[in-house]
Amino acid sequence: NAGVTQTPKFRVLKTGQSMTLLCAQDMNHEYMYWYRQDPGMGLRLIHYSVGEGTTAKGEVPDGYNVSRLKKQNFLLGLESAAPSQTSVYFCASSYQPQSPQPQHFGDGTRLSIL
Amino acid sequence: RKEVEQDPGPFNVPEGATVAFNCTYSNSASQSFFWYRQDCRKEPKLLMSVYSSGNEDGRFTAQLNRASQYISLLIRDSKLSDSATYLCVVNMRNYGQNFVFGPGTRLSVLP
Repeated sequence: NAGVTQTPKFRVLKTGQSMTLLCAQDMNHEYMYWYRQDPGMGLRLIHYSVGEGTTAKGEVPDGYNVSRLKKQNFLLGLESAAPSQTSVYFCASSYQPQSPQPQHFGDGTRLSIL
Repeated sequence: RKEVEQDPGPFNVPEGATVAFNCTYSNSASQSFFWYRQDCRKEPKLLMSVYSSGNEDGRFTAQLNRASQYISLLIRDSKLSDSATYLCVVNMRNYGQNFVFGPGTRLSVLP
């Protein structure tokens, strides 16, 4: 079972460039999430989705956009990358938070903005 | 006050030691609770869910005190492979952010 797959694993961008991070899950989960993790800090929620075609802002949404056109995919976009967006990005999915089901994580995307 | 707080760490313990981690949460409406472990530069992985009655999985024991809004994780007979950062995670139903992560407590088990 693939679980949650993130692509790419690593990327270096120049300030002002754009890119899209892809998250795919094969567990038929309704909920999907994008987090960022910075040194010494916990995971912070960027955006999340409660189902196909729906997205919502998390704790730190500025500078990011997301789309959930298909249930299995959740895309995170950076329209104009900034050095402050250098981070490790994790995607996660869960069946539904209404039942005590834990999240399943992808193995992360390490993004550096120069 | 942060929504989920943990012992600041790091904890450096010898092999075979017993170590306890504490976590407090601010939202009394929180519904479910988890401990995750995260190895350096890796993704978080579920260690165990935390139930109201407390639960045990081998050398790991989790406790929940809803009245005090407090969660604990006890690791007995520490192994070198237990070295990781332990994340307390609270699922706040009815809130947009759903899962809220604590900052983590790092454990180093020394030979």
